[in-house]
Amino acid sequence: DIQMTQSPSSLSASVGDRVTITCRASQSISRYLNWYQQKPGKVPKLLIYAASSLQSGVPSRFSGRGSGTDFTLTISSLQPEDFATYYCQQSYSTPLTFGGGTKVEIK
Amino acid sequence: QVQLVQSGAEVKKPGASVKVSCKASGYTFTTYGICWVRQAPGQGLEWMGWISPYNGNTNYAQNLQGRVTMSTDTSTSTAYMDLRSLRSDDTAVYYCARHYYDDRGPQYPFDYWGQGTLVTVSS
Repeated sequence: DIQMTQSPSSLSASVGDRVTITCRASQSISRYLNWYQQKPGKVPKLLIYAASSLQSGVPSRFSGRGSGTDFTLTISSLQPEDFATYYCQQSYSTPLTFGGGTKVEIK
Repeated sequence: QVQLVQSGAEVKKPGASVKVSCKASGYTFTTYGICWVRQAPGQGLEWMGWISPYNGNTNYAQNLQGRVTMSTDTSTSTAYMDLRSLRSDDTAVYYCARHYYDDRGPQYPFDYWGQGTLVTVSS
């Protein structure tokens, strides 16, 4: 199974900050990497697919980079509605696996 | 618009079974796969498996093999997830989600999700 490791597990940031979350795969997954945002009590929402493609309707302050084993999700200017938990997920091979999540909290 | 509507919350005793439904609308049901993802209280997301409504092929997570069955009814565009021999650590919110797939498998993101179904296992 491919293990997905996210870092940090949590972070505190202020509105307007630039935030970067890292996701590392235990083996190469090419660009089969997706990012989801989940707010408390809500359904996960697709933000980025195929490592760097922005899902329709997602603000352009979200961006993704990477290939192989190392990936990043960046929020260029954190907004109040961005405080949430973010998960990476590999879709390279089954079993499909998620990272442990990164909780973005208000400083 | 695409919608996945799941059945309501369930409370089950250990050893029982639960069947969660996921009714799809707004797209051609057989064109996309349906996966099931669960989330225990305060925990992360766990992929349980997926099914192709087109041909019924399934792929389950190894840790659930023998306890989970996924099925579909194409006449009603509904997917089902049946989990047996429930344990307390099966307590979770269960989500269905849609994803495209091709001959290489489900290598596409989960673009639409159901609202989630809370399954509580307690004596």
